[in-house]
Amino acid sequence: SQTIHQWPATLVQPVGSPLSLECTVEGTSNPNLYWYRQAAGRGLQLLFYSVGIGQISSEVPQNLSASRPQDRQFILSSKKLLLSDSGFYLCAWKDQDYSNQPQHFGDGTRLSIL
Amino acid sequence: AQSVSQHNHHVILSEAASLELGCNYSYGGTVNLFWYVQYPGQHLQLLLKYFSGDPLVKGIKGFEAEFIKSKFSFNLRKPSVQWSDTAEYFCAVNRVGGRRALTFGSGTRLQVQP
Repeated sequence: SQTIHQWPATLVQPVGSPLSLECTVEGTSNPNLYWYRQAAGRGLQLLFYSVGIGQISSEVPQNLSASRPQDRQFILSSKKLLLSDSGFYLCAWKDQDYSNQPQHFGDGTRLSIL
Repeated sequence: AQSVSQHNHHVILSEAASLELGCNYSYGGTVNLFWYVQYPGQHLQLLLKYFSGDPLVKGIKGFEAEFIKSKFSFNLRKPSVQWSDTAEYFCAVNRVGGRRALTFGSGTRLQVQP
C-alpha cells in the first residue's frame, strides 16, 4: 500500500534561518507531488506541484522553493525564513496515471518562526 | 482562477442534530469536487468525492454531498451528527484536464456537543 511521510512534525526556527522540509512517498511510482500551506484560520493554499523529477511549478510568489531530486522525494526549502512563513505545511501525492483519483496527504509539519 | 467558498467558518451543533455545510466554487468548466476532513491531531482524510454521474455522493461515516451544477455548489450533509464528527471540514475543487492540484476552501470547524 502507498504511504506518505513528512518530517519533521514540528519545527521552531528563528527569522532568517534556512528551512528544509522533506516528504517521501512509498508504494507508488511517478506520482504527482504537492506542497500546501495552511495559515492560521485559513484554508490550504497550493505552493508547489511536481509531475516528475526536477519538474517544479510554483503557484504563488514567495520566499520558498521546492525540489524533487528523486521520483518519490519532494523537498520544501528556504534560504531565509520570514515571520510570514509560519504555518502548517502539508505534502500530498496523487497517482499521475489516474486523473480522477484524490490526493493523499501527509501528517503535516507545523512551522513556527520566532 | 478558480476559487472555493465555505461560508460557515464555525458551526456548533448538539449530538443528533442535522448538518449541512455549504461549499460554492467559481469555475465555469468541468470540475472534480472533494470534501476532506481533519480530526483533531490527525491528517487530512478524504470524506467523499464527485467526478461524474449521480450528483448525490455518499461518503464515509454517513456523510453525503450533492453537486448542484447550476448553483456551483457541493454542500456536505449528515442527518444526525455525533460527538466524534468534531473536526475541520474542507471543500476542494480541481479542474478536469488541468494540473489537478486542489483549490481548497478556508474550512469549517464543526464542534459537536454531547
